[in-house]
Amino acid sequence: DVVMTQSPLSLPVTLGQPASISCRSSQSLVYSDGNTYLNWFQQRPGQSPRRLIYKVSNRDSGVPERFSGSGSGTDFTLKISRVEAEDVGVYYCMQGTHWPWTFGQGTKLEIK
Amino acid sequence: EVQLLESGGGLVQPGGSLRLSCAASGFTFSSSAMSWGRQAPGKGLEWVSVITASGANTFYADSVKGRFTISRDNSKNTLFVQMNSLRADDTAVYYCAKEVLAADMEWGQGTLVTVSS
Repeated sequence: DVVMTQSPLSLPVTLGQPASISCRSSQSLVYSDGNTYLNWFQQRPGQSPRRLIYKVSNRDSGVPERFSGSGSGTDFTLKISRVEAEDVGVYYCMQGTHWPWTFGQGTKLEIK
Repeated sequence: EVQLLESGGGLVQPGGSLRLSCAASGFTFSSSAMSWGRQAPGKGLEWVSVITASGANTFYADSVKGRFTISRDNSKNTLFVQMNSLRADDTAVYYCAKEVLAADMEWGQGTLVTVSS
């Protein structure tokens, strides 16, 4: 199975400051169709997960512009340009290139 | 509005069976690949199974292979998963999701399955 490794696992951030989460996969996530199926999910406390980003850098509908995704191959990053209070929660990367699809361990974002 | 409504969760003894359903509305169900994912209490996320739009192809995580069966009824816009030989480590909130890899992904609120004696 493809192992997804996130860092850091805990991310204390001051309101209004940027935040960045790294995700590395154990093998390339480029699929035979040329797409890279790397998603980012947010799970707020007590809520179901919500997808933020698909195919590395595409924001889902309704996702604020302060969230952005980047990367290629095996190295990917989720960035929040200015953290707001509503961003508290756990963030997961997920690969959908190889079955079984797999998630990272999760990064817990909290406000300092 | 897209809606995915899971049902069928509950308490079951180890070795028992449950059938989860996911009623879909607000989109063309028969054109959408569907999936089941789960999250054990306090743990991370895991994809359990995927079924293509026609139902012709299915995929399972090793942890459930041979015990779970995913299926769909496109005439009733409903996704199912039959879960047999349940174990304590199957305890989780189970979510159904549409088009996990595409632009129009959605998933439901989940249903809790508790396997305990």
